[in-house]
Amino acid sequence: GEDVEQSLFLSVREGDSSVINCTYTDSSSTYLYWYKQEPGAGLQLLTYIFSNMDMKQDQRLTVLLNKKDKHLSLRIADTQTGDSAIYFCALQAGGSYIPTFGRGTSLIVHP
Amino acid sequence: SQTIHQWPATLVQPVGSPLSLECTVEGTSNPNLYWYRQAAGRGLQLLFYSVGIGQISSEVPQNLSASRPQDRQFILSSKKLLLSDSGFYLCAWSVEGAVTEAFFGQGTRLTVV
Repeated sequence: GEDVEQSLFLSVREGDSSVINCTYTDSSSTYLYWYKQEPGAGLQLLTYIFSNMDMKQDQRLTVLLNKKDKHLSLRIADTQTGDSAIYFCALQAGGSYIPTFGRGTSLIVHP
Repeated sequence: SQTIHQWPATLVQPVGSPLSLECTVEGTSNPNLYWYRQAAGRGLQLLFYSVGIGQISSEVPQNLSASRPQDRQFILSSKKLLLSDSGFYLCAWSVEGAVTEAFFGQGTRLTVV
């Protein structure tokens, strides 16, 4: 099955850029998502990218996809304290309704 | 618009007691429904998913069961809780027949004592 890896923690200073990385094994992944989980809450979709794209930008968020290396990243520009949360990457193959989630990266933003 | 309700938000139960967590979805028909568990320091573990009434698939054999008595209702149950059942339980739904993102409830923090 799909294996999705993320580093567990990332600490940045307020105003800096954050880059959260995700690697995966299944090259048939067609839909790639980034979710955000604030403390004690459910997950909310932040952004997504299709496998036929290399990059997607949405305000402060930039998603990069390197299909050759099976590497997905989420860049948050001008990181704010309100961005502190756990970020999950999730992958889904075409035709599958079950996403596979990484373990989540806890982003800590210092003032 | 679609909404998902999950309750209770927190629950403390003794070992050996039963469990019933409920999840309902509004504003959509025949959604795919999911139960996930998030243990401390770990990612999301898919427990059950359902593509229709009475259709339940179990991903991990364990002390829990799920039922879907109505189209938009998904229930997670246990007859006898174990200490290892403690965790954060998340219900989610996605659109039937489409590969789209999942929409999550607010979660239930279960502590088994």
